[in-house]
Amino acid sequence: DAKTTQPPSMDCAEGRAANLPCNHSTISGNEYVYWYRQIHSQGPQYIIHGLKNNETNEMASLIITEDRKSSTLILPHATLRDTAVYYCIVRARQNFVFGPGTRLSVLP
Amino acid sequence: NAGVTQTPKFRILKIGQSMTLQCTQDMNHNYMYWYRQDPGMGLKLIYYSVGAGITDKGEVPNGYNVSRSTTEDFPLRLELAAPSQTSVYFCASSYSTWAGGANGYTFGSGTRLTVV
Repeated sequence: DAKTTQPPSMDCAEGRAANLPCNHSTISGNEYVYWYRQIHSQGPQYIIHGLKNNETNEMASLIITEDRKSSTLILPHATLRDTAVYYCIVRARQNFVFGPGTRLSVLP
Repeated sequence: NAGVTQTPKFRILKIGQSMTLQCTQDMNHNYMYWYRQDPGMGLKLIYYSVGAGITDKGEVPNGYNVSRSTTEDFPLRLELAAPSQTSVYFCASSYSTWAGGANGYTFGSGTRLTVV
């Protein structure tokens, strides 16, 4: 599976959009981009995934560049409860590999 | 549905002791996984199973054993506990390991283990 690169930490003001970037320059054509988050010490929680089209659900939007070498997770109106570590994972059919992720702090 | 249930939530072991971390899921998922997470780090895969009777090693299997006698249960056994096994252990399950499967993995709430 392709490797991903994420910034170690980010801050976002409450009520503003949080844009979390992820680079995956070695992604293969059959690999999906997944996003999970981990709040405090809980188990990771699924957010969204996509292949090449942009995706949106009730939690977030996923924007994937046309060349698929990077993506951005967007939380449109961040709340304090969105403070968590966010993991970007690229995989096809192998098991998930969770890197260190991005620690997002939503500030009041 | 309960989802993925892990027990116990906390445990302190002495060096050399053994224990079994329990994991059960009620979603009829074929695939189950054990991860460990050290402080400030990502999750590392210990073992996984693609169905009852079938298990395979992940990234960090040494010091652990697993079994999968039923679809629902996937216990993780620690033999001769060592301080290096102090970690938070997460069990997960999924319908399919293929990326197109519905919503990826469902995780349990974790077992915090300290070996002293």
